[in-house]
Amino acid sequence: AQSVTQLGSHVSVSEGALVLLRCNYSSSVPPYLFWYVQYPNQGLQLLLKYTSAATLVKGINGFEAEFKKSETSFHLTKPSAHMSDAAEYFCAVSPNYGGSQGNLIFGKGTKLSVKP
Amino acid sequence: DVKVTQSSRYLVKRTGEKVFLECVQDMDHENMFWYRQDPGLGLRLIYFSYDVKMKEKGDIPEGYSVSREKKERFSLILESASTNQTSMYLCASSRGLWDQPQHFGDGTRLSIL
Repeated sequence: AQSVTQLGSHVSVSEGALVLLRCNYSSSVPPYLFWYVQYPNQGLQLLLKYTSAATLVKGINGFEAEFKKSETSFHLTKPSAHMSDAAEYFCAVSPNYGGSQGNLIFGKGTKLSVKP
Repeated sequence: DVKVTQSSRYLVKRTGEKVFLECVQDMDHENMFWYRQDPGLGLRLIYFSYDVKMKEKGDIPEGYSVSREKKERFSLILESASTNQTSMYLCASSRGLWDQPQHFGDGTRLSIL
């Protein structure tokens, strides 16, 4: 069965520092991958998606993610953290086979704190 | 832009009540989903629907039912609310394709007293 693992339920960085949020997936065929952000008391907002066009994907708010098939990873990065980046981030995979199209498998989320 | 609208942001109900959570999307999406979100547990799928009048159980359907009479509207029903159903409920919609993301509403924070 497909799964998504986000390493670290909490990550803390200083303002201006690199943000790195880790996501690993398990899938026997190349999946489609997504990163979402959730601000307090809001729904999830799509940050970016990988759909096989390019391995490096740029998203909103200066975030980007790189698909590495050999490592089955899709880590999210941002060169310089801003206080407004403090939120919870979810990685999700669409398995690309079996089951129902449109269903996503979500990781458990990583809460990002940004220190001044 | 896709808009997914949940009828209430905050809701307080009593145990044993029948509770309705409503969700409407405006992009003619085939799929609609209901999740609950609890600290440390991430998002858990309750039910989803891939067409009008069609529904499929997710990971935690017990104590819930759903209704989809029109394509744009997906309702979650708590038949007899209990305190362990206090949670954040999120509705989402998507096109029925592998490479399409889900679009989420702002959530309903439900408290059962």
